[in-house]
Amino acid sequence: DAMVIQNPRYQVTQFGKPVTLSCSQTLNHNVMYWYQQKSSQAPKLLFHYYDKDFNNEADTPDNFQSRRPNTSFCFLDIRSPGLGDAAMYLCATSGDRRAFFGQGTRLTVV
Amino acid sequence: GEDVEQSLFLSVREGDSSVINCTYTDSSSTYLYWYKQEPGAGLQLLTYIFSNMDMKQDQRLTVLLNKKDKHLSLRIADTQTGDSAIYFCAEISGNTGKLIFGQGTTLQVKP
Repeated sequence: DAMVIQNPRYQVTQFGKPVTLSCSQTLNHNVMYWYQQKSSQAPKLLFHYYDKDFNNEADTPDNFQSRRPNTSFCFLDIRSPGLGDAAMYLCATSGDRRAFFGQGTRLTVV
Repeated sequence: GEDVEQSLFLSVREGDSSVINCTYTDSSSTYLYWYKQEPGAGLQLLTYIFSNMDMKQDQRLTVLLNKKDKHLSLRIADTQTGDSAIYFCAEISGNTGKLIFGQGTTLQVKP
């Protein structure tokens, strides 16, 4: 059974049109992460939450925002997607000694 | 700081053992992980090891941790063509709680 679920699996958005990616977890983990992964590269950490405590990476563009309304859900908002934001976006959780990833959302910007 | 390094490519013949190496710099690392990623797919957790362990074995996988040298390795016994993928080493920093990845090692298995 999937424990970290990302929706949608594939998202196409227009240049400059805001888009939201969602992530939910059934593990009750208190840490959640958002990563951006471009082809054949390592996942790049954008931000992470420890409970409601938000931690932004210094090099994460302001164009990327996140919300965590409760333990189970976390959202990634891209305010004005550019062509360079096309990537796989991965959500992960950690707790109980393990880190789990969702299947990712592949974002295409047209 | 937090930095994780891996060699980028490894090629082996089917049936041989593969050893993928990783080094890290964060002495506060608590857990270290190996993930597998096949083309177009998400990250699959293969195994993990706690920082006070030296070794962990799980079927064909053996993880060795040398905490003094901050060196982690993943050995895959009897490597199969289905093992061809990118393997990422990752660590959780005890100081920041961040999950940090190496660059990934592409494993090519030749028949």
